[in-house]
Amino acid sequence: DSGVTQTPKHLITATGQRVTLRCSPRSGDLSVYWYQQSLDQGLQFLIQYYNGEERAKGNILERFSAQQFPDLHSELNLSSLELGDSALYFCASSPSSSGGNLPYEQYFGPGTRLTVT
Amino acid sequence: TQLLEQSPQFLSIQEGENLTVYCNSSSVFSSLQWYRQEPGEGPVLLVTVVTGGEVKKLKRLTFQFGDARKDSSLHITAAQPGDTGLYLCAGSPYNFNKFYFGSGTKLNVKP
Repeated sequence: DSGVTQTPKHLITATGQRVTLRCSPRSGDLSVYWYQQSLDQGLQFLIQYYNGEERAKGNILERFSAQQFPDLHSELNLSSLELGDSALYFCASSPSSSGGNLPYEQYFGPGTRLTVT
Repeated sequence: TQLLEQSPQFLSIQEGENLTVYCNSSSVFSSLQWYRQEPGEGPVLLVTVVTGGEVKKLKRLTFQFGDARKDSSLHITAAQPGDTGLYLCAGSPYNFNKFYFGSGTKLNVKP
């Protein structure tokens, strides 16, 4: 158990709908990352938050948005869903955000499997 | 083009064999991590290497960080079916505030 929790575990919804995925980081971790993993694909970095502020952006679609709340939990909002959005969505947390010489270890949650029909 | 290139992409071997997975980049990394992911689950951190030339051992797994901190390798001795999974290297280029994952090596160890 990594200490990162994600809800819901599974989500089935229709095209055009909007969903919210939730993540609670490990106790004390300030950084939260969101990733998308489609079938047989690698991990695609979406976005990172550090202590409530957006820190880095990856290949996140304009239909997707995220935020990190004062209690450090994070939500990923996916709207106008398309069939191609079906994937596993992972949240990860890390103690720090800065680069330099700090180890940049991430601890992953169990993921939310999104199926768009 | 991936910042971190992993090879091979796929590896299918018999139980008891040895194998090496490579992770290469043209960038210098402050540290590199190795993760293992099983189907439908989140990646699990195996090790972090920080110092150029560093070698770390985790039971039958040996991790090495290149002297120039641009590459890393994972060597598994006497592979077992329980080693089956997707192995991912990941890291942040030195003084660059972004984290990258390699495309992964899918390992299948047959009993």
